[in-house]
Amino acid sequence: NAGVTQTPKFQVLKTGQSMTLQCAQDMNHNSMYWYRQDPGMGLRLIYYSASEGTTDKGEVPNGYNVSRLNKREFSLRLESAAPSQTSVYFCASSELVGKGGYTFGSGTRLTVV
Amino acid sequence: DAKTTQPTSMDCAEGRAANLPCNHSTISGNEYVYWYRQIHSQGPQYIIHGLKNNETNEMASLIITEDRKSSTLILPHATLRDTAVYYCIEETSYDKVIFGPGTSLSVIP
Repeated sequence: NAGVTQTPKFQVLKTGQSMTLQCAQDMNHNSMYWYRQDPGMGLRLIYYSASEGTTDKGEVPNGYNVSRLNKREFSLRLESAAPSQTSVYFCASSELVGKGGYTFGSGTRLTVV
Repeated sequence: DAKTTQPTSMDCAEGRAANLPCNHSTISGNEYVYWYRQIHSQGPQYIIHGLKNNETNEMASLIITEDRKSSTLILPHATLRDTAVYYCIEETSYDKVIFGPGTSLSVIP
């Protein structure tokens, strides 16, 4: 099915380790996003890419880096994982603002011990 | 901080209409109102959006007040599968979309 694919679905890291979360969409959307969701809370924007070749910080960018590899792919990297980064990470994509909603991936559940 | 306010939780009897309110008193003229839902721990799912007029699709109806300061999402015949957290958000630019805690809707048999 068309949509947003995230890998991996689950990951356990030790403090200080690094990893990259992968995200790909096949809807030809221009914009892509990374959110995190902590228990009982809404989603917080980490980084977004309004179009291929651009990336910008969201609400909680510290400790993360992103790469918009091409129009389909948007990756999120944790250089030195910390327990505070234990969360569920969602990738999303969209067309223009107001032209339709976001399509979200199924999430990556990350635990940092 | 979320720009919209929603009740924390609501119950609805199965088969009845679920009416979920949202206040967005600071909404500006070019901001859309979007509704999403999140079932259990899945990714949020887009439901519907609108600017000024009421909207309807196969999932739900969206009623926006004339002053645009509030809206209501209507699920006409709620089923157990509609149990989820529902988010009302304003969308004007890529970095301004805020997902607050939403409304936890429980559909009761």
